[in-house]
Amino acid sequence: GAVVSQHPSRVICKSGTSVKIECRSLDFQATTMFWYRQFPKQSLMLMATSNEGSKATYEQGVEKDKFLINHASLTLSTLTVTSAHPEDSSFYICSAVGGHNRETQYFGPGTRLLVL
Amino acid sequence: AQKITQTQPGMFVQEKEAVTLDCTYDTSDPSYGLFWYKQPSSGEMIFLIYQGSYDQQNATEGRYSLNFQKARKSANLVISASQLGDSAMYFCAMREGRMNYGQNFVFGPGTRLSVLP
Repeated sequence: GAVVSQHPSRVICKSGTSVKIECRSLDFQATTMFWYRQFPKQSLMLMATSNEGSKATYEQGVEKDKFLINHASLTLSTLTVTSAHPEDSSFYICSAVGGHNRETQYFGPGTRLLVL
Repeated sequence: AQKITQTQPGMFVQEKEAVTLDCTYDTSDPSYGLFWYKQPSSGEMIFLIYQGSYDQQNATEGRYSLNFQKARKSANLVISASQLGDSAMYFCAMREGRMNYGQNFVFGPGTRLSVLP
């Protein structure tokens, strides 16, 4: 149980395009999902908290118009990187809380984004 | 101030031996949760073990155990009988306050463990 998927696993795009990343909880309902960004050899940095049916809560310094989050259902949250630039290249990873173990965040496998 | 400190950026251990990864935390909230995650080179974050602040016993999950010293605010991870597949980054994390769905974790900087054959 507690499986979280993320799609795509890798994406390469041109500067100026938008990229959508999906995060799905496969076997439980996730009332809350979190989006993180991780630079090489660094820890996870929380970008935003996504609650089903409400607006996401963004961490300080994270542009909400740049990183659009939609938590449309109890099993799906999406992160859209709008007008991507090379500095947005990073590893993006989501997590979900819910199901039988409400204490733990279960993570997706992550998405490596490269903006050319 | 750092909420989660992992003082060992890198650790080496011989296969089949035990290893302890250090984690200290800082919180004034009496209710909190402590977690350890493993991140192999593939990038996925794998949940290993959880300890609640009110838990009387140290948490154990297979070869993983958490040495919880509340007064010292430490939550060290002990891996027994190390295997080559244990080579990875290990992150300690804390959730402050009583559990609800909306609380985020604070992650430590991580420790890279290398298991030697």
